[in-house]
Amino acid sequence: SQQGEEDPQALSIQEGENATMNCSYKTSINNLQWYRQNSGRGLVHLILIRSNEREKHSGRLRVTLDTSKKSSSLLITASRAADTASYFCATAPPSGSRLTFGEGTQLTVNP
Amino acid sequence: EPEVTQTPSHQVTQMGQEVILRCVPISNHLYFYWYRQILGQKVEFLVSFYNNEISEKSEIFDDQFSVERPDGSNFTLKIRSTKLEDSAMYFCASSEQGEGENGYTFGSGTRLTVV
Repeated sequence: SQQGEEDPQALSIQEGENATMNCSYKTSINNLQWYRQNSGRGLVHLILIRSNEREKHSGRLRVTLDTSKKSSSLLITASRAADTASYFCATAPPSGSRLTFGEGTQLTVNP
Repeated sequence: EPEVTQTPSHQVTQMGQEVILRCVPISNHLYFYWYRQILGQKVEFLVSFYNNEISEKSEIFDDQFSVERPDGSNFTLKIRSTKLEDSAMYFCASSEQGEGENGYTFGSGTRLTVV
């Protein structure tokens, strides 16, 4: 089964708007993480939400987790052109250390 | 802010050749990982390493792959006999705890091209 599927695959918005990306997964998790990747670069950890948490904030980021629906969302408020990147969710299993990444959402913020 | 450093940033090699990708994890991290990303595809887990041994590996990590921590700072991925399909971006990562409770820190990657 595929774990960590994001939608939309691509999102284009204007600077100042909010961007929402969704992630669904299929198996039990210990935590879910969101990462950002600029084109051709490494992955940058943004935020982690544990399976017993429902919502978490960090600056302009807001993450929600619904374990009953096996889904998460990442909201970026007041987007900036510099937020243009690919965003990936990744799930960590209840035991073990392997992260399973989704396909990613390509976010474009137009100035 | 502490970083995970990977070298080289780009490597071109001929099919059948051995390559070694190098990583310097964050100094107080105990868990180390390799992931890869074939162009346009998902990031895939290869292997995790703790206490000088492999703790978990994926189906991709076959006998052609090996990892080593030769000294107190470096963490290497060796591909013994490269194939065309090994062409990918290889990312090293490290974490303080095994289940990534505080997230993982990734390096900038090594782009491996097998010709």
